[in-house]
Amino acid sequence: QVQLQESGPGLVKPSGTLSLTCAVSGVSIGSGDFYYNWIRQPPGKGLEWIGYVWPSGRANHNPALRSRTSMSVDKSKNQISLSLTSVTAADTGTYYCARYNFDYIDSWGQGILVTVSS
Amino acid sequence: NFMLTQPPSVSESPGKTVTISCTTDTGSIRGDYVHWYQQRPGSAPTVVIYENKQRPSGVPDRFSGSIDSSSNSAALTISGLKTEDEADYYCQSYDSNNRWVFGGGTKLTVL
Repeated sequence: QVQLQESGPGLVKPSGTLSLTCAVSGVSIGSGDFYYNWIRQPPGKGLEWIGYVWPSGRANHNPALRSRTSMSVDKSKNQISLSLTSVTAADTGTYYCARYNFDYIDSWGQGILVTVSS
Repeated sequence: NFMLTQPPSVSESPGKTVTISCTTDTGSIRGDYVHWYQQRPGSAPTVVIYENKQRPSGVPDRFSGSIDSSSNSAALTISGLKTEDEADYYCQSYDSNNRWVFGGGTKLTVL
């Protein structure tokens, strides 16, 4: 059974870069037809899609965040990564990675709370 | 920009039926490509309806989805409400470039 686990700093300074990884266990990232989403949720607010990345590394981004985001895949470590630059307090929230099986999201990470503050 | 609009909150009594709408006036709801997620406090979302009306295994048949392309709207209906259904519900679809879009979410209160 696939499991996803986000990790990274819980506190990032304004204007800095938020870097997160999502470790995938129970299955190889390169196997099967899946892609992996990053989704975030500010405290007390709704879900916002950040983007998704295919095992090949090809990605699709939320246009509102595109200029600040990059996503990558490391098959050797079986993990995906998210980088968000020039962060502000508006980037504070819980960040989720989630696997999409072309029917629906069948697995979510538990989420990681990232706070942007000096 | 393609946007999905949901009512911020709905409430209903146990045993009753509630419907949550998801509408757009900035494009077209793509048939068979609307998903619904349930999120309980402190937890990650989980899907309750995918591809407009399909239920993943384990989701009770009290949950159903529908779409009305003529009105650019989708709906999630929960019948026989239980207190455990109290949660936030989000619709999700795609824009013309296959980018994901979430509705703003609806808080369901069962009282």
